[in-house]
Amino acid sequence: DAKTTQPTSMDCAEGRAANLPCNHSTISGNEYVYWYRQIHSQGPQYIIHGLKNNETNEMASLIITEDRKSSTLILPHATLRDTAVYYCIVRVRGSSNTGKLIFGQGTTLQVKP
Amino acid sequence: GAGVSQSPRYKVAKRGQDVALRCDPISGHVSLFWYQQALGQGPEFLTYFQNEAQLDKSGLPSDRFFAERPEGSVSTLKIQRTQQEDSAVYLCASSYHRVDTEAFFGQGTRLTVV
Repeated sequence: DAKTTQPTSMDCAEGRAANLPCNHSTISGNEYVYWYRQIHSQGPQYIIHGLKNNETNEMASLIITEDRKSSTLILPHATLRDTAVYYCIVRVRGSSNTGKLIFGQGTTLQVKP
Repeated sequence: GAGVSQSPRYKVAKRGQDVALRCDPISGHVSLFWYQQALGQGPEFLTYFQNEAQLDKSGLPSDRFFAERPEGSVSTLKIQRTQQEDSAVYLCASSYHRVDTEAFFGQGTRLTVV
C-alpha cells in the first residue's frame, strides 16, 4: 500500500472549515484514499473514502487532485468535537486485499473556540 | 450489539503474566482485525480473521501473541509472558464484508505491564 504524508498538527477556529491535506504521490491506480479519525481515548472512526472523484457525505468532503497524488479532507463547519487525530490511508480494495489498514502518524486537529 | 465491544477496558499485568483480551464484534460481521497502538503512534495491524479462519497474522510481533476466533464471532487476543514493551492500547475492529466495507473499531483495551 502507498505511503501517505500528512502535517503533524493543525489548528482550526470553531465554525470554520477545516482543510486537512494528504500527500500520496506513489498511489497506484487501484488504490483508494480513506480517512479515519480518532478522538481521544476512542477507537478510530471511518469518515469517508474515494478513488478519483470528489466525495461528500454527512461528515465531510474529500477532494482528490486529478493526478491523484494528493487529497484534502474538508470538515465544512468544525466543532470542538471534531478535535481528533485524522488519518489518511491509501489501500487496495477487492479480493486480493484483507482490508487491513496501515495507519501513519496522522494530523492532530485542534478546533479552538 | 450496537458496536464493537472490548473488555477489559484497562488491564494492569505484572511482567511475565499471561493476559487475555476479548473482542465482541458487531453481530454478523465477517471480518475481524486486531491492532496495537503504542502511545503517540497510529494503530499497527496485528492479525485478521475471516469468520473463524485466521488469514493474516503477519503483524503479530512475537510467538507470545496468539489470537483466536473459534466460532467466527467473539475473538480473544492472548499475550503470554508479558513484557514492558507490550504496554499499549489493543484495538479490535470488525467489518461486514471481507474487504470492501468500512471497519468499526472498539474503544480498545489499555494494557500496562509493570
